[in-house]
Amino acid sequence: AQSVTQLDSQVPVFEEAPVELRCNYSSSVSVYLFWYVQYPNQGLQLLLKYLSGSTLVKGINGFEAEFNKSQTSFHLRKPSVHISDTAEYFCAVTNSGNTPLVFGKGTRLSVIA
Amino acid sequence: GAVVSQHPSRVICKSGTSVKIECRSLDFQATTMFWYRQFPKQSLMLMATSNEGSKATYEQGVEKDKFLINHASLTLSTLTVTSAHPEDSSFYICSAREQGNGELFFGEGSRLTVL
Repeated sequence: AQSVTQLDSQVPVFEEAPVELRCNYSSSVSVYLFWYVQYPNQGLQLLLKYLSGSTLVKGINGFEAEFNKSQTSFHLRKPSVHISDTAEYFCAVTNSGNTPLVFGKGTRLSVIA
Repeated sequence: GAVVSQHPSRVICKSGTSVKIECRSLDFQATTMFWYRQFPKQSLMLMATSNEGSKATYEQGVEKDKFLINHASLTLSTLTVTSAHPEDSSFYICSAREQGNGELFFGEGSRLTVL
């Protein structure tokens, strides 16, 4: 079965600094990878996804992620964070269009003024 | 983009009562819906996969008689927590897969508090 590891449970960062949230997945023949953001007491909002094609994926709110097959990673990056980026971020994986997403444990990003 | 609506967003009930949570795909048809449960400060754990017109597939450790799932149409799936107890208090999130292209959309979640 697929699994996802988010190595950092919490990441504090100063406003306007760059950030990288790490995600590693268990290897499979084919994978579809996702990053979601969750604000308190809300559902999930899709930031970006990798299905195929270019390994550098650009998403909403200035986020991007790079699919690295050799390292089985899909790290999320943003060059300059804002206070409003403070939230919980989840990496998720599936290996087909018919199976559910498997989520990592989440990374709490705290942006400090 | 497509919208998935969950209702109610918050519910408080007494121990021993049953609570129904609805998940609707508003502008697309969803042959498959997934129900997740999220404890405070934790990740989403898949509870069950709901397929329209057939029985739900439950994950290991999830009591199918406690968490009744019905997917009666291509736009509606319901989760009923029967005889709720305080330990059932949680955030329940549904997601729906759009028929055809497989895009997955999430509802806003339903917070259940059992007193």
